Amino acid sequence: GDSVTQMEGPVTLSEEAFLTINCTYTATGYPSLFWYVQYPGEGLQLLLKATKADDKGSNKGFEATYRKETTSFHLEKGSVQVSDSAVYFCALSFGSGNTGKLIFGQGTTLQVKP
Amino acid sequence: EPEVTQTPSHQVTQMGQEVILRCVPISNHLYFYWYRQILGQKVEFLVSFYNNEISEKSEIFDDQFSVERPDGSNFTLKIRSTKLEDSAMYFCASSVGRDTQYFGPGTRLTVL
Repeated sequence: GDSVTQMEGPVTLSEEAFLTINCTYTATGYPSLFWYVQYPGEGLQLLLKATKADDKGSNKGFEATYRKETTSFHLEKGSVQVSDSAVYFCALSFGSGNTGKLIFGQGTTLQVKP
Repeated sequence: EPEVTQTPSHQVTQMGQEVILRCVPISNHLYFYWYRQILGQKVEFLVSFYNNEISEKSEIFDDQFSVERPDGSNFTLKIRSTKLEDSAMYFCASSVGRDTQYFGPGTRLTVL
């Protein structure tokens, strides 16, 4: 079935370090891909999305490119801040013809130290 | 900015009791969802709801679960007879179409 796999956490970085969180997916078809972020004590917030191959989603300095050939959607940020500490979830969904349910990866905890 | 709200933020109940978790989706949204996250595990899809009926449900969503949109604004999840393994964070989400979903802050359900 359709699934999403993320790198194990926690990821611990110093402020201003470069961030990569790996995400790969298995899907029958061409899903939309998402990154959601969950700050401590809060719900899931959409960070960015991409709806087709080679699309790049970006927001708040974070980027991810939809790579069909490697079935990946890795999250990157050039210079992390302490305020980026959170849990990051990669997810996929199929829109047209389906209900749009999201299938999530297991989440990756990011800790940024000053 | 409009947001999805959920009440209560934390619900403690005894095993075998019924609970109702409430959500107010964003007002012009048409698709509604419930997800749950058991501590330390993935966020899992439970059910989607569109046009006043369930459009898809997961194998987790058995006969103990039901959803309702009783008054055009609230969207509720009922668990008829709670089990210990129902303890989790429950998230409501809504969307305009079958694309970007907006999540509420969640209800933490603790079954004793």
